[in-house]
Amino acid sequence: EFVLTQSPVTLSLSPGERATLSCRASQSINNYVAWYQQKPGQAPRLLIYDASNRATGIPARFSGSGSGTDFTLTISSVEPEDFAVYYCQQRSDWPLTFGGGTKVEIK
Amino acid sequence: EVQLLESGGGLVQPGGSLRLSCAASGFTFTNYAMTWVRQAPGKGLGWVSTIGRTGIDTFYADSVKGRFTISRDNSKNTVYLQMNSLRDEDTAIYYCAKALGTVGPTTSRWFDPWGQGTLVIVSS
Repeated sequence: EFVLTQSPVTLSLSPGERATLSCRASQSINNYVAWYQQKPGQAPRLLIYDASNRATGIPARFSGSGSGTDFTLTISSVEPEDFAVYYCQQRSDWPLTFGGGTKVEIK
Repeated sequence: EVQLLESGGGLVQPGGSLRLSCAASGFTFTNYAMTWVRQAPGKGLGWVSTIGRTGIDTFYADSVKGRFTISRDNSKNTVYLQMNSLRDEDTAIYYCAKALGTVGPTTSRWFDPWGQGTLVIVSS
């Protein structure tokens, strides 16, 4: 099973700052990582798939990078609506697994 | 517009059973794999099960294998999750999600969009 470890657990930022979220895999998973955003009381929403492809309707301030075991989600300038929990997920093999999440909170 | 509407959640005693349903609309249901993901209260996301387009291919998390069964009725645009021998640790919101695309594992193992979820509480 591929274990995904996200860091930091919590990221405190002010609007306008840059956010850098990390997802590390226990083994190489090529570029088979996605990122989801979840706001309180809502279902998750797909942001990025295959490490760097933005899903439909996702603003350009969200970008993904990485391959192998280390992946990054970057929000270039955090907007008020971006404060949420972010999860990474791998599709390299069954079982599909998620990271534990990073909460981006207002500083 | 794609819509996924889950139902069937509720309170059940340990050892009991529930069947969740997810009614889909706004897309060609038979073209997409479907997945169930759960989230325990205050916790992260956990993949539960995926079913292929025809219903022949099914995949399960080890924690539910042998207890849960995923199925689909393409004539009703609905996917199901039959949950038996429920345990306290199965308490969670259960989300239904559509595969991002139709091209094998390249796009079928990403989830977009998700339904709003149905709450399952296992407690005596």
